Amino acid sequence: SYVLTQPPSVSVAPGKTARITCGGNNIGSKSVHWYQQKPGQAPVLVIYYDSDRPSGIPERFSGSNSGNTATLTISRVEAGDEADYYCQVWDSSSDLVVFGGGTKLTVL
Amino acid sequence: EVQLVESGGGLVKPGGSLRLSCAASGFTFSSYSMNWVRQAPGKGLEWVSSISSSSSYIYYADSVKGRFTISRDNAKNSLYLQMNSLRAEDTAVYYCARGVSGSYPEWFDPWGQGTLVTVSS
Repeated sequence: SYVLTQPPSVSVAPGKTARITCGGNNIGSKSVHWYQQKPGQAPVLVIYYDSDRPSGIPERFSGSNSGNTATLTISRVEAGDEADYYCQVWDSSSDLVVFGGGTKLTVL
Repeated sequence: EVQLVESGGGLVKPGGSLRLSCAASGFTFSSYSMNWVRQAPGKGLEWVSSISSSSSYIYYADSVKGRFTISRDNAKNSLYLQMNSLRAEDTAVYYCARGVSGSYPEWFDPWGQGTLVTVSS
């Protein structure tokens, strides 16, 4: 089955740029979606279709997808961005939804 | 405002059954696919099941296939998950999430607050 691989943790200083990767075999051929989950809360969609932002999501959040890696980029990181981030795809070859293992973003 | 409210969680013994419900409001329920996603304590997100807007397409994770049944009632704006033969590893917070129109799941937005299912003797 299709596997998405995320780094367990990423740390970044306030005001800097955080990049969270999501690796998968030829993931560039799939649509990747990203979710933010803060402690005790439900996940929130932050990026869909690789790079589109839902309404209400700051422009600081952006996404890209090519080859074997998709990336969520958070510019000018704020303390409030500290959360777990998950990537997700639909694997049409197996008719399964796949989530990455999640990345904990720590703001130093 | 779009709202999804899950209910039906609780403590159940291994081998037992439970039925989760998700009440939807604030949008045309019958136009969207719906989904269940779970999260074991301290763990990541795990997709469970998806159902298209007219119930024509249904998908399950391998871990629940044959034990769980997803269904919906568009007249009642409600989504359901019938869970049978429950195991300790099914212990998790179960989230209901709206999908998109279409025959297969894409992204999930928004999500409900979740309901906790604990499988223990």
